[in-house]
Amino acid sequence: GAVVSQHPSRVICKSGTSVKIECRSLDFQATTMFWYRQFPKQSLMLMATSNEGSKATYEQGVEKDKFLINHASLTLSTLTVTSAHPEDSSFYICSATTPVAPYEQYFGPGTRLTVT
Amino acid sequence: GNSVTQMEGPVTLSEEAFLTINCTYTATGYPSLFWYVQYPGEGLQLLLKATKADDKGSNKGFEATYRKETTSFHLEKGSVQVSDSAVYFCALSVETSGSRLTFGEGTQLTVNP
Repeated sequence: GAVVSQHPSRVICKSGTSVKIECRSLDFQATTMFWYRQFPKQSLMLMATSNEGSKATYEQGVEKDKFLINHASLTLSTLTVTSAHPEDSSFYICSATTPVAPYEQYFGPGTRLTVT
Repeated sequence: GNSVTQMEGPVTLSEEAFLTINCTYTATGYPSLFWYVQYPGEGLQLLLKATKADDKGSNKGFEATYRKETTSFHLEKGSVQVSDSAVYFCALSVETSGSRLTFGEGTQLTVNP
């Protein structure tokens, strides 16, 4: 099946700094990528939909100035958490959709962010 | 709107026991239905799917049948293994290109030897 990678897998940063998470589709071109946040023992919360070459569409309640999403190419989307705070600590997961039917979503392995 | 309801966990079983995880949904339009599995510290993997009524998705001994009349997509496995311990998510999608997924809350399964 298709492979989606995320980098880094774990990151620890100090409060007030910014951190960038990369999501790559390794063997297919993804016109659409999604970013999710997952709290411990909870389901995935969709943060935003990222389309190549256009601005991301954010879900209600997600601060677009805090969670900057860039989908610069058909194989790369980045999520930057700006001015991170401890409450931003979470597991962030991306997914990428194949460009042709059946438009399946393939998920990355996730990035564990800890803000100290 | 769209929503997915899963049976509450956690579920703890002995090896070789029968597994059922219930999933029901509401959707505007005609959804495709999915089960995803998440192993500790990892992202989600697609376990199986069904795209129309009465379809049965199956993989690795797991099965689920798309029941339109009861709006359900229950996950079953006849004999679970310790390696099946994970969190299982039921999900639906009603769009085509760039489909958004609506997830259930997830069910933690622990299988003891």
